Amino acid sequence: QKEVEQDPGPLSVPEGAIVSLNCTYSNSAFQYFMWYRQYSRKGPELLMYTYSSGNKEDGRFTAQVDKSSKYISLFIRDSQPSDSATYLCAMSVNRDDKIIFGKGTRLHILP
Amino acid sequence: EAQVTQNPRYLITVTGKKLTVTCSQNMNHEYMSWYRQDPGLGLRQIYYSMNVEVTDKGDVPEGYKVSRKEKRNFPLILESPSPNQTSLYFCASSLSPPPGWDTIYFGEGSWLTVV
Repeated sequence: QKEVEQDPGPLSVPEGAIVSLNCTYSNSAFQYFMWYRQYSRKGPELLMYTYSSGNKEDGRFTAQVDKSSKYISLFIRDSQPSDSATYLCAMSVNRDDKIIFGKGTRLHILP
Repeated sequence: EAQVTQNPRYLITVTGKKLTVTCSQNMNHEYMSWYRQDPGLGLRQIYYSMNVEVTDKGDVPEGYKVSRKEKRNFPLILESPSPNQTSLYFCASSLSPPPGWDTIYFGEGSWLTVV
């Protein structure tokens, strides 16, 4: 079983819809959970991060961690065409530890 | 403006011809690293550097070399490129110790094709 699993998509949704992106993981020691957004032909940029379980909200984005299920989610409300990108989840055990990246999910928001 | 600059952005080269991908950052970051991104494999770290003259292997260092003679620069060297090194390469810099996930900045990527 891979350490971090992420459906590569592509995921196509109409503008304005709520998007749910997910990752599962196998290492119960992970404590830091990140979401990166990567536009085509660009480097990844950090969107959000959370520590341990719970939710974190930033504008239209909500990151959710369920450690009991080893499952993390990123929700995008009122999705916009500018949200079209690849979203990578990433995790680490400690803050100074190696990051393990998911393979990324390609998201298309249809106008 | 905070920047990580990589060059070249696009390169097609032949097997065995040495090449260098340059990386420069303007944020006075101590920590820099190189990743490659391949379809189905995600981002994998090649090498990282904690400071000038301090470098260490990441997950996939074979076939690559790095050097860190100045704080701002961290070139990636392919001494004898092979087709399996065809990939998208990202340089990154960060304020915190590796991986510095909360302050990491990625360059725009270098598309390398080895034929």
